Amino acid sequence: NAGVMQNPRHLVRRRGQEARLRCSPMKGHSHVYWYRQLPEEGLKFMVYLQKENIIDESGMPKERFSAEFPKEGPSILRIQQVVRGDSAAYFCASSPPDGKETQYFGPGTRLLVL
Amino acid sequence: GESVGLHLPTLSVQEGDNSIINCAYSNSASDYFIWYKQESGKGPQFIIDIRSNMDKRQGQRVTVLLNKTVKHLSLQIAATQPGDSAVYFCAENQTGRRALTFGSGTRLQVQP
Repeated sequence: NAGVMQNPRHLVRRRGQEARLRCSPMKGHSHVYWYRQLPEEGLKFMVYLQKENIIDESGMPKERFSAEFPKEGPSILRIQQVVRGDSAAYFCASSPPDGKETQYFGPGTRLLVL
Repeated sequence: GESVGLHLPTLSVQEGDNSIINCAYSNSASDYFIWYKQESGKGPQFIIDIRSNMDKRQGQRVTVLLNKTVKHLSLQIAATQPGDSAVYFCAENQTGRRALTFGSGTRLQVQP
């Protein structure tokens, strides 16, 4: 049973470009979460999605950031017009639909904005 | 609340010793707690969890203790091995919310 998969693992963008980060949850999991981590810090919650629905986006910046989890395909975290402050590791986690809260994390995407 | 720091606190132990990593939380509404291990360049790896209706839970070589009175959580690792070297995070959430709030982390260094 493959774990949470994320791609790309590393992404370099210039200021003003768009970044698209992909996450495929564990098989059978229907809940997806995105977190951001700066060096030497803990993870900060961004958004929680179920298939085709955003459940909690209280941690998402109001501008330039969006997330989706379509009926088919991976969850996407999209950052428009990236700035240097967006440089961070972005982690996706998933949990099963049976109400259990344990979140299992992917390997992350390291975004570097030049 | 959340703490942010430029330098992670570090716990250095000898191989074979027991390790205790501590975590304080501030939200009295938190009812589910998890310990994660994060190795360099990797995502957090689930270690053990505990609900607020328990004060102790044991796994393989690990024990989590929860003291709700003082809002304190600890992770005990028995017979620490070099492979245990990593950054350890506690995380919490409250009933009705799935968002995890992470602590600032502790770096565990195991000396051979």
